[in-house]
Order: sequence, then C-alpha cells, then structure tokens
Amino acid sequence: QAVVTQEPSLTVSPGGTVTLTCGSSSGAVVSGNYPYWFQQKPGQAPRTLIYDTSNKHSWTPARFSGSLLGGKGVLTLSGAQPEDEAEYYCLLFFSNGAVFGGGTTLTVL
Amino acid sequence: EVYLLESGGDLVQPGGSLRLSCEASGFTVSNYGMTWVRQAPGKGLEWVSGIALSGGTTYYADSVRGRFTISRDNSENKLYLQMNSLRAEDAALYFCVKGGGGSVVDIWGQGTMVTVSS
Repeated sequence: QAVVTQEPSLTVSPGGTVTLTCGSSSGAVVSGNYPYWFQQKPGQAPRTLIYDTSNKHSWTPARFSGSLLGGKGVLTLSGAQPEDEAEYYCLLFFSNGAVFGGGTTLTVL
Repeated sequence: EVYLLESGGDLVQPGGSLRLSCEASGFTVSNYGMTWVRQAPGKGLEWVSGIALSGGTTYYADSVRGRFTISRDNSENKLYLQMNSLRAEDAALYFCVKGGGGSVVDIWGQGTMVTVSS
C-alpha cells in the first residue's frame, strides 16, 4: 500500500493563512483518490472537514478549503482561529483500500 | 440524530480474538459503506478495513489482512470487526466510521479500546 505524506508540524499566526499538503508515494494525488481531511483535537474523535478533494460538510467552517495542487491534496486554512489548533490528517483512497497520512500538528501562535 | 456506538474492546492476550461491534443510530448501515479506523496511544490514524456500499466488497490494510474480518448485520443495524491472532501492535482505540467504500465519510464514533498484553 502507498505511503501518504504530510508535514509533521506547521505554525500559523491568528488570522493568518496556512496550507497543509498530502502526497502519495504512488504518484500524483488525483480526484480519483477522493482526498479527505480530518481534524482531531486531544481526547476527541476525529471530525471530517473535507471530502472528495474540496467538498465541505455542514459543520465545516468556511475558512477551511480543499484543493489539488502540484500533484498533492491541499487543505487551506484562511483566517486561522485559536480553536483551529489541532492535528490534521489526510486520507487517500486506492483500488485496494485507503491510507492515512501521518498527520500535521497545527499550532496557532 | 446520527451516531455510532462502538463496543467490545477489552484486554486480550497475544494470539487471542475479539469482536468489536458498532451500533448505528439514525441511519441504516446496509445503505452505506462503512469503515474501521484505529489509533494507537499517542500515534496517528490508521485505516483498518472497509465494506463497500454496493455488493459488500471488503477491503483490508496489509497489517490486518487474513486476521481481521469486517461484516455487517442489517437486521441489527450493526457493523462488526472480528479480530483474530491479535498482536501487541493491534492495541489501539478502534473507531467505527460511517462512509468509505463508495459513500462519503462523515460521522465517527467515539471508539472502543483494545489492549493486547499477556
């Protein structure tokens, strides 16, 4: 199974913009990998933010957006809030299953 | 309200077996793909297994293939994960997730803890 890579950690200033990326050892990430993004805070279950590259659930704050760029899945946070400090995971689907990235620890500071 | 409630986690010896259950409320499991995800203490998320919406095709991570079996009981509206030949590295919090296998992933349960130790 493929290895999915994410930045281990990123820092963003309150009100700032940050991009998280999701790459695959099997090649470019494409829409057919149905890229997902999840947010997990300490002691809580993960929450689905983005599905199928760029679609949001009803509970997803508008400041989060998803896209594909440069062969990677991208999560963009515009106007970071203190409550956005969390671990973020991407998930990619392949023909034989799915693989999570290692996660990105996002600090809002 | 849509929610998932996992159960069945326990302390088990290496080589032992365990069956996890996931009770769904607010939707019918047979109408959706479903997924199991695990998280070892202090570690990241690991996709474990999925069952497809159509046809019931099942998928497994390499780390559990041949030892774990995912299934669902439509009459009880439950998802299961039968885990055999358990190893120390299988110890984790196991989450039941609505979606995957042709359905959008949205709702997560709170998880059930599996400990593998002698």
